[in-house]
Amino acid sequence: NAGVMQNPRHLVRRRGQEARLRCSPMKGHSHVYWYRQLPEEGLKFMVYLQKENIIDESGMPKERFSAEFPKEGPSILRIQQVVRGDSAAYFCASSPGPLSYEQYFGPGTRLTVT
Amino acid sequence: TQLLEQSPQFLSIQEGENLTVYCNSSSVFSSLQWYRQEPGEGPVLLVTVVTGGEVKKLKRLTFQFGDARKDSSLHITAAQTGDTGLYLCAPPPRGTSGTYKYIFGTGTRLKVLA
Repeated sequence: NAGVMQNPRHLVRRRGQEARLRCSPMKGHSHVYWYRQLPEEGLKFMVYLQKENIIDESGMPKERFSAEFPKEGPSILRIQQVVRGDSAAYFCASSPGPLSYEQYFGPGTRLTVT
Repeated sequence: TQLLEQSPQFLSIQEGENLTVYCNSSSVFSSLQWYRQEPGEGPVLLVTVVTGGEVKKLKRLTFQFGDARKDSSLHITAAQTGDTGLYLCAPPPRGTSGTYKYIFGTGTRLKVLA
């Protein structure tokens, strides 16, 4: 059973460009969390999604950030008009269900904005 | 908003030494999870403690949940270089008030020197 996949692992964008981060959950998991981790800091929750639904986006900035988890395909975290402060590691985690106590993380995408 | 404070923030020790790290809050939790994140990777779940006063062992790691379920500790016996990483605690979400997000502690960054 393959683990959570994230791609790309490293992404470099210039200020003002768009960044698209992809997350494929573990097989059988229909719930995805996205987190941001700034250098030398802990994990900060951004958004929680089920297939085709955003359940909790209270940790996501209101502007420039969006997330989706379509019926088919990976979950996407999209950052428009990136700024230097968006440079961070972005992790997704998948879960078999809500409040399941199980959360499996991917290896992360390291975004660098130049 | 529940706040989780972890201490110490940084810890550097020699291989073979013992150590304890702490996770404290003013809130009561129904359960608590510990994760380890190695450099360049996503966090990996180590254990979930559920009952007040519970002690769980994972090889050289001993996890304890406080009697009042407000705090937890992780004790590592005879640390090895492979124990190096960021240790994070987090209570699984309860789903109350529509909240499903994990709130991670500030983390303890452990470095074990050979």
